[in-house]
Amino acid sequence: DSGVTQTPKHLITATGQRVTLRCSPRSGDLSVYWYQQSLDQGLQFLIQYYNGEERAKGNILERFSAQQFPDLHSELNLSSLELGDSALYFCASSVAGRYNQPQHFGDGTRLSIL
Amino acid sequence: AQSVTQLDSHVSVSEGTPVLLRCNYSSSYSPSLFWYVQHPNKGLQLLLKYTSAATLVKGINGFEAEFKKSETSFHLTKPSAHMSDAAEYFCVVNIDTGRRALTFGSGTRLQVQP
Repeated sequence: DSGVTQTPKHLITATGQRVTLRCSPRSGDLSVYWYQQSLDQGLQFLIQYYNGEERAKGNILERFSAQQFPDLHSELNLSSLELGDSALYFCASSVAGRYNQPQHFGDGTRLSIL
Repeated sequence: AQSVTQLDSHVSVSEGTPVLLRCNYSSSYSPSLFWYVQHPNKGLQLLLKYTSAATLVKGINGFEAEFKKSETSFHLTKPSAHMSDAAEYFCVVNIDTGRRALTFGSGTRLQVQP
């Protein structure tokens, strides 16, 4: 058990809809990362937060947004969903977001767009 | 820029025989390197990490990896494969720049035959 909790585990919705994925980091970790895993793109970094502030952005679409709350949990919001957004979304956390610190991953949220 | 190349997309071994999963990296800076394992429908679990200390790194479940700067390689090995080792393995690099996100290799699927 990594200590990172993601909810829900599975989400099925339709095109055009909006969903929110939730992540609770390991106790004591200040930095949260979001990743997308799909068959054609592999694992891609979306966005990082550190202690409530956005730290880095990767290949995140404008339809997607995220935030980290004062209690350090994070939410990833996906809107105007398209079929191609179907993927496994992972949250990871690390102590202070430094490059040499390992990131600990949750079990992911599997998003299916019908 | 940083990149990771996993040289084999699939590796098949017999139970009890050695495992070798190959990884080469490219980085303009001194990297931190990690190996993660992903079992079906699960998140990524950290196997081991290299962060500029000893070049031979020991991880969990009997895995180890050797950092070879001259060859820009970080191959993962295990002396004797177990059925439970069957999974997807990712070589990952991170460098000390403003962007703290991990760069993942494309993964190697390890199959263990009885």
